[in-house]
Amino acid sequence: AQSVSQHNHHVILSEAASLELGCNYSYGGTVNLFWYVQYPGQHLQLLLKYFSGDPLVKGIKGFEAEFIKSKFSFNLRKPSVQWSDTAEYFCAVSRTSGGYNKLIFGAGTRLAVHP
Amino acid sequence: GAGVSQTPSNKVTEKGKYVELRCDPISGHTALYWYRQSLGQGPEFLIYFQGTGAADDSGLPNDRFFAVRPEGSVSTLKIQRTERGDSAVYLCASSLAGQLNNEQFFGPGTRLTVL
Repeated sequence: AQSVSQHNHHVILSEAASLELGCNYSYGGTVNLFWYVQYPGQHLQLLLKYFSGDPLVKGIKGFEAEFIKSKFSFNLRKPSVQWSDTAEYFCAVSRTSGGYNKLIFGAGTRLAVHP
Repeated sequence: GAGVSQTPSNKVTEKGKYVELRCDPISGHTALYWYRQSLGQGPEFLIYFQGTGAADDSGLPNDRFFAVRPEGSVSTLKIQRTERGDSAVYLCASSLAGQLNNEQFFGPGTRLTVL
């Protein structure tokens, strides 16, 4: 069965530190890849997505992610985090063969940024 | 409203009771998804509607769970004979259509607690 693994459940950083959150998926076919973010008290919202083309994708608020097909990975990065990046981050995958986005989510990573 | 809305925001019920959870998608969105998020986990796919029909209900855990979308807009998730293990946040998402490149917009969720 398809699954998504997020390596870190909790990450604590100081402001201006660099961030990298790991995400690996298990599916051999073509996939779409997503990162969602949930700020405290808010809805899940899309941070960035990869469908095809350039494997380095840029999202909102300075986030980017790189798709490495050979490693089945889609890690999220930000060069310098801010206190306002404190949130829970979810990696998600959908299979393109279905024709619609049946999202399979990882367990999430809670990021706390200290001033 | 501009976003996906879900009612109630919280529901507390007793084991064995019947509950209904409602989702109002963004106007004009033909695709609607239900997910369930248990404590410490990412959202888990339950069912996908394209218009009025359930195109994929493979995520429903068992026959106690049922969802409808009779007019292709509002959807209701129904849970019969609730069990303590059904306690979770139930999320609804909608998109313009089921196609792969359409973003899913999530609602705030209904937190269900079964005592």
